[in-house]
This record gives sequence, structure tokens and C-alpha cells, in this order.
Amino acid sequence: NAGVTQTPKFRILKIGQSMTLQCTQDMNHNYMYWYRQDPGMGLKLIYYSVGAGITDKGEVPNGYNVSRSTTEDFPLRLELAAPSQTSVYFCASSFRDRGRSANYGYTFGSGTRLTVV
Amino acid sequence: QKEVEQNSGPLSVPEGAIASLNCTYSDRGSQSFFWYRQYSGKSPELIMFIYSNGDKEDGRFTAQLNKASQYVSLLIRDSQPSDSATYLCALRPSNYKLTFGKGTLLTVNP
Repeated sequence: NAGVTQTPKFRILKIGQSMTLQCTQDMNHNYMYWYRQDPGMGLKLIYYSVGAGITDKGEVPNGYNVSRSTTEDFPLRLELAAPSQTSVYFCASSFRDRGRSANYGYTFGSGTRLTVV
Repeated sequence: QKEVEQNSGPLSVPEGAIASLNCTYSDRGSQSFFWYRQYSGKSPELIMFIYSNGDKEDGRFTAQLNKASQYVSLLIRDSQPSDSATYLCALRPSNYKLTFGKGTLLTVNP
């Protein structure tokens, strides 16, 4: 059982280039999320999805796009890379909300370290 | 408005001591709370989950929740050097999206 798989692990982009960060989960989780983590700034939600075909913006969506065509995959697209997008990106997934007593803490992927130069 | 507050640390404790990590939150509608451990260069790992007032114990870890005072804490007994990491507090507000604090860096000295 692989859990949440992210690729690539590292990437260097030039300003203005585009790329897609891949995320796949095999736990049949309905909910998936993309976060970025900057030093000392905690985790910021970029986009999330509650199921195939449904996505919504988080706190910091500008410069990113997502799609969710299947339950398993939730890719994150950077269209025009900027130095401000240098960060570590985490994909996460969780079960459908089943009330406050349900432990649906996220399972995180191993992360993608992106540098834009 | 900062929803989840944690002391960034670093918090330094000697090996074998009790490490106490604290988190306060502003959303009274928050329903459940999570503690994640993140080693340097790694992804966050869920270590504790609590939703009722009081204590919840799991091995050397105890989570404490006080909804009236709006704080949640994590105690680590018999701290080991391998516990050295950043600990993230997260809460579930009225919806399903977790809100994370910035984390507290814990260093356990041999």
C-alpha cells in the first residue's frame, strides 16, 4: 500500500516555465489537498478537492491550477513559474467527513521541493 | 486573524524529561484536533488525534484538550533524541479542511 505518492521529489524551474506536480493516492480517499510550506510559515492550503470533478480554492491559489478527473489523481499545475513559488509542496488526502469523532487526519505525500530561478 | 497559535521555539529539553508543547486556537466551532510530527526535510506524520475535553494517552504521548480555554497540548514523556522534530498543531473547524499552526521545533539533548 503506497499511500500518497508525489513526483517529482525535486525540481528546478526557470522563471516563466510551466510544470505539473503529480499526486496519486491508493487509499480510496475522497478528499485531496495541495499545500505549500515555506520556512517558518507553516502549511498553506493551495487547492482542495472533495471528489472527482470537484475542486476549490484554498488560501493561496494564485499562480496554480488543479484538476481531479479520478479519485486517485490530483495534479497541481504551475503555468508561469515565479520565484515566489519556490517552496516545498505537499499533497495530502483524507476520508470523507464522518463527524467530529472520526479520525480523518491527513495522510501526506513525501513532498516536492521546487526552486524557481 | 491567526487561527492556530504555537510557540515557534526552539524548545530544548534533556533526554528523559517531559516535553510540553502548547497550541491555542480562536475558532470555538473547532471540533477535533491533531498533532503532527515533522522531521527536517520530511512530510508531516499524524501522531495524535483528540476531540473530547480531557486527556488522551498513546504510549509516551498524551494530548490534552480544554475547549473552554481554547487550548490543546501535547506531552511527550521520557523524551528521546529521536523525538527532535517540529510539532504541528492542527484543528478541524466547522468544515473538513484542517488549519495548521506554524509548528514548534523541539530539540531533545542527549
